[in-house]
Amino acid sequence: EAGVAQSPRYKIIEKRQSVAFWCNPISGHATLYWYQQILGQGPKLLIQFQNNGVVDDSQLPKDRFSAERLKGVDSTLKIQPAKLEDSAVYLCASSLLAGGEEQFFGPGTRLTVL
Amino acid sequence: SQQGEEDPQALSIQEGENATMNCSYKTSINNLQWYRQNSGRGLVHLILIRSNEREKHSGRLRVTLDTSKKSSSLLITASRAADTASYFCATDNYGQNFVFGPGTRLSVLP
Repeated sequence: EAGVAQSPRYKIIEKRQSVAFWCNPISGHATLYWYQQILGQGPKLLIQFQNNGVVDDSQLPKDRFSAERLKGVDSTLKIQPAKLEDSAVYLCASSLLAGGEEQFFGPGTRLTVL
Repeated sequence: SQQGEEDPQALSIQEGENATMNCSYKTSINNLQWYRQNSGRGLVHLILIRSNEREKHSGRLRVTLDTSKKSSSLLITASRAADTASYFCATDNYGQNFVFGPGTRLSVLP
């Protein structure tokens, strides 16, 4: 079974630029999550989708971050404009059914904002 | 704000010893999960324990949950160098408000 795919794996941008990350969850998984993990900390949930509806986006900085999950399959997370403090690893995860079950994580995208 | 807080922040042990990590949380939960993260395999699910369960085993892992104290522990028995990683507890409130703790960094020395 293929795992969660993410791209790109690494991205370096200047502050105030825009960036987008892509995630393809495990086939058939209804729930998709985006996390931000700053070095030395635990992952912080940014947004949770069930199929193509948003379940939880309470910690998403909506003035600069946006995410969509068209057709309930793959998803994109965008940052516009980026700030220095956005430097982190962005992790995508999926779970088979509703949230609260085992999550399968992708390899992450390491973002550096200069 | 952090829901789960692991303790200790870092732990060093010798191969073959047991490692115990604790997690405390603040609000009611539906279930609690433990994850491991290392550079080789990324973030991997270890075990899930539901709020109506008190103890669960998986191989060399033993997890306990005390909802009255809002705490959980993860015991790794007969540790190996390959167990070197960061371990996170994560809680959810009926499929929402998924929160990871800051993690315990475990080093298993040969």
